[in-house]
Amino acid sequence: SAVISQKPSRDICQRGTSLTIQCQVDSQVTMMFWYRQQPGQSLTLIATANQGSEATYESGFVIDKFPISRPNLTFSTLTVSNMSPEDSSIYLCSVEAGTAPYEQYFGPGTRLTVT
Amino acid sequence: QQQVKQSPQSLIVQKGGISIINCAYENTAFDYFPWYQQFPGKGPALLIAIRPDVSEKKEGRFTISFNKSAKQFSLHIMDSQPGDSATYFCAASSRTNAGKSTFGDGTTLTVKP
Repeated sequence: SAVISQKPSRDICQRGTSLTIQCQVDSQVTMMFWYRQQPGQSLTLIATANQGSEATYESGFVIDKFPISRPNLTFSTLTVSNMSPEDSSIYLCSVEAGTAPYEQYFGPGTRLTVT
Repeated sequence: QQQVKQSPQSLIVQKGGISIINCAYENTAFDYFPWYQQFPGKGPALLIAIRPDVSEKKEGRFTISFNKSAKQFSLHIMDSQPGDSATYFCAASSRTNAGKSTFGDGTTLTVKP
């Protein structure tokens, strides 16, 4: 298994500002994933972050809005840029871990409210 | 196009009863089918998962039934307890990319004492 921590756990931000969310894993992992979960909704994959390469974004998500860094095998950041109230969501970091075939683990999430 | 359909949206069960949640998928490339349990304010936690080479997997009170030909799988919670009250998500992915999952819409389970 993998233990994942995220910072901050929650934040209230002004429209037009940016917030960077940090994700730390207790073991080295190749792939890290960022998901968004809007209130009462399911999870939607934003992007996949592989160490040493550019993140791969899913349809509907772009790097200018959600830049991602992956400086090493245990850490990643997601920035939500130029925020609007529609960005109010829970942002979740996730990893594949264990021995192949891998299993997926999630962090506790960052609850973002944009006013 | 939603690739994983989950039902029901909400479920109320008496303590000791059986909770059943169903999912159907469309993409035949999926070969890894996990269920996640999420409590308010927490991230989803892996509950149990199945791969299509078996038709059933049981872990304690939780059982996954898998029907490959129908492209359906379900979660059964036996002897449901109030502590099981949570939102349950089914998901599907390929074993070579387990982290890139497609999720169902979730089922909110309430177990009444």
